[in-house]
Amino acid sequence: QLQLQESGPGLVKPSETLSLTCTVSGGSISSSSYYWGWIRQPPGKGLEWIGSIYYSGSTYYNPSLKSRVTISVDTSKNQFSLKLSSVTAADTAVYYCARHAVVVVTGHWFDPWGQGTLVTVSS
Amino acid sequence: QSALTQPRSVSGSPGQSVTISCTGTSSDVGGYNYVSWYQQHPGKAPKLMIYDVSKRPSGVPDRFSGSKSGNTASLTISGLQAEDEADYYCCSYAGSYSWVFGGGTKLTVL
Repeated sequence: QLQLQESGPGLVKPSETLSLTCTVSGGSISSSSYYWGWIRQPPGKGLEWIGSIYYSGSTYYNPSLKSRVTISVDTSKNQFSLKLSSVTAADTAVYYCARHAVVVVTGHWFDPWGQGTLVTVSS
Repeated sequence: QSALTQPRSVSGSPGQSVTISCTGTSSDVGGYNYVSWYQQHPGKAPKLMIYDVSKRPSGVPDRFSGSKSGNTASLTISGLQAEDEADYYCCSYAGSYSWVFGGGTKLTVL
């Protein structure tokens, strides 16, 4: 069955760039009809969609984060990655990756999700 | 793009039914039939429960159902069980290839 796993530093300094990778197993990241997304959740708060990428490199970003976000894909490694620049304490959150269905045929949903990784922004 | 509005908490006794609302605008919930719902237990990743307003993924009990009227979507859980106690989040397509989540609702089973 399809599984996703986030990895990356758990601590990032203010003004630096947060970098995370999501490894997909049990299926190919090059599957048609599916994007691959990043979602975050600040401690004790709700979910926020960050952005999504197709295996071809096509991306969608949350307008409120677009200026600081870059999502990329490496099909040879079955991975996709997130970079968030100029981070502040407000970017402290659990970061999840998930398969993202975005077309009429499949419907719109996020499933499955990785277990999430906590990233703390602090000096 | 503002977060969708959900009640902070709802509660119900075992066997009862509860409904969680998710209010947006005509630019998101009201404009598309692309509302999904997620269940999140403490310390766990969210789990897809409903998509496209009222469709249930395989494996999700039929006690969970979804609907929409105007700019408000709803998740109804009937025959409440102790394991349903969790946080629930709605999500809607908001046009221009963007998606927005609700603030989340804590369901307590009394």
